[in-house]
Amino acid sequence: DTGVSQDPRHKITKRGQNVTFRCDPISEHNRLYWYRQTLGQGPEFLTYFQNEAQLEKSRLLSDRFSAERPKGSFSTLEIQRTEQGDSAMYLCASSLTSGERDTQYFGPGTRLTVL
Amino acid sequence: GQQVMQIPQYQHVQEGEDFTTYCNSSTTLSNIQWYKQRPGGHPVFLIQLVKSGEVKKQKRLTFQFGEAKKNSSLHITATQTTDVGTYFCAGRVAGGSYIPTFGRGTSLIVHP
Repeated sequence: DTGVSQDPRHKITKRGQNVTFRCDPISEHNRLYWYRQTLGQGPEFLTYFQNEAQLEKSRLLSDRFSAERPKGSFSTLEIQRTEQGDSAMYLCASSLTSGERDTQYFGPGTRLTVL
Repeated sequence: GQQVMQIPQYQHVQEGEDFTTYCNSSTTLSNIQWYKQRPGGHPVFLIQLVKSGEVKKQKRLTFQFGEAKKNSSLHITATQTTDVGTYFCAGRVAGGSYIPTFGRGTSLIVHP
């Protein structure tokens, strides 16, 4: 399978715990995005990388959230001291930019439930 | 900040009827993308529109980008049960952030 993969697919944690999610983009894709999606809403941008550089972060992203893409390939998203409001689907997408074209391919997501 | 409004939020149709969802931005867009998300699935890219007034077709789906590049629509002719899902538009602000802003989506329910 050459699509975007995410791990784990589901995570249940207790409030206050730290969680880390992994995203493996499509090989050769230079851009990687993290989004959060709650029921009845569209994906909400969190942050994105071009190669290993984190170029933009949402102003909504609290300092409990951190993301890395150390070698310009896979990425991790960590949430520290989770809160119930963090419960959501966390989506990763990757793209290979070419001029105006930037088709994002989404992974299956990690569903986080904070108890 | 930029807002992308999408209407309607839900649409029930009988199989064979047409369906349209509309996307409106508060600011001029450089381009707009459309995605489909099946129940329990993830968004899947459908198309990107870049030019003012652009119209593109994919079989029974017709996508339009407004002349002012502030609105867009997706029209499905003769819906089928396989069309069920939520359709999202995502727009990038002209001269602004590279990041697309997604609308809330329109959920299409097709009754056989």
